[in-house]
Amino acid sequence: KNEVEQSPQNLTAQEGEFITINCSYSVGISALHWLQQHPGGGIVSLFMLSSGKKKHGRLIATINIQEKHSSLHITASHPRDSAVYICAVSHRDDKIIFGKGTRLHILP
Amino acid sequence: EPEVTQTPSHQVTQMGQEVILRCVPISNHLYFYWYRQILGQKVEFLVSFYNNEISEKSEIFDDQFSVERPDGSNFTLKIRSTKLEDSAMYFCASKRDGNYGYTFGSGTRLTVV
Repeated sequence: KNEVEQSPQNLTAQEGEFITINCSYSVGISALHWLQQHPGGGIVSLFMLSSGKKKHGRLIATINIQEKHSSLHITASHPRDSAVYICAVSHRDDKIIFGKGTRLHILP
Repeated sequence: EPEVTQTPSHQVTQMGQEVILRCVPISNHLYFYWYRQILGQKVEFLVSFYNNEISEKSEIFDDQFSVERPDGSNFTLKIRSTKLEDSAMYFCASKRDGNYGYTFGSGTRLTVV
């Protein structure tokens, strides 16, 4: 059974700050996902990665397969980035196992 | 961009009633999933569906739950006799295959009273 741990659970930062959210998992995976959940509840997939690094706009996701660890970075954070960021893992064609999420609040 | 569509967005039902939650996955996707999120908790897997049959289900997915893909486009989750603890946000997701990511619907908030 794969356990997904995220840190921190809650994060408040000032607009413009560089944000890092960490994720670790216990068992080998085929892919790691970073997802965003807004207060309305909808889930949006940000990244799916199995190695290395991906970048989309101000978001960067990295994964270290050997250490079973991933990070999500947000550069030049903005109040509209405020949301819950969820790390999740999957095996090929299998279900996603979700972490508990990190609640991010960016102050203007 | 293609979307996964869920209806209704919010449903209130009496305890003991049957509910059907509907999802229209992306048309060329092959793998379908239902997840739920009880308020304040993490998202939990319910069931996965592939090739017109259940491929995996969690211990939450007991005899009160069933899924169907009746017409090749809709994917439904039925709860036969709802309980108060079934109150949650239910998410449908679909995926083309193992090389692609998941697309989630916007969820159905089910409130059992």
